[in-house]
Amino acid sequence: EVQLVETGGGLVQPGRSLKLSCVVSGFTFNKYWMSWTRQAPGKGLEWVASITNSGGSTYYPDSVKGRFTISRDNTQNTLYLQMNSLRSEDTATYYCTSRDSGGWFAYWGQGTLVTVSS
Amino acid sequence: DTVLTQSPALAVSPGERVTISCRASESVSTLMHWYRQKPGQQPTLLIYLASNLESGVPARFSGSGSGTDFTLTIDPVEADDTATYYCQQSWNDPPTFGGGTKLELK
Repeated sequence: EVQLVETGGGLVQPGRSLKLSCVVSGFTFNKYWMSWTRQAPGKGLEWVASITNSGGSTYYPDSVKGRFTISRDNTQNTLYLQMNSLRSEDTATYYCTSRDSGGWFAYWGQGTLVTVSS
Repeated sequence: DTVLTQSPALAVSPGERVTISCRASESVSTLMHWYRQKPGQQPTLLIYLASNLESGVPARFSGSGSGTDFTLTIDPVEADDTATYYCQQSWNDPPTFGGGTKLELK
């Protein structure tokens, strides 16, 4: 059974940092690109970051570039998202997802809620 | 960025056929994918590459289209299909999602 379990969400003040983790099981982690996608309360989905299967390359939209860093540990089947200089507009549920070669997101975690507020 | 436009909401009766549309602001070839998000849950993949049914997804779901116009069809609709449906393109960077279509059952 495929499982992606995110942890690390919570309440954080604007300007502070937070690191999310996602532990993966049930598929060969080191063969897949991985991504983070977020969803603000009551809103749609927004892609946040992707990383190649080796971890050698990373990709971000302009909205988080320079503030967020995606990384992975293939020995621990774990994906990370380091979020710095957080803003109120970063408030969302963050989902860990696998990314297939054609660019679709096949597997999703249950999500972890990040709330940025003073 | 490629903008994907979906109708905000639809209401249908169980047993009917429903089509959910997604229009892209520029061509995305056939790199269009569809997800379902039930209330309080994470999204799940239904269709990839415009028309390929994800493993385990019922054959009631089908997808079609290419270029800028795409359709997700559910036939017949069941009560359990109450959800928001999202399209997503991966032809142009960055990958983008439509705003979602909320499907309600009468």
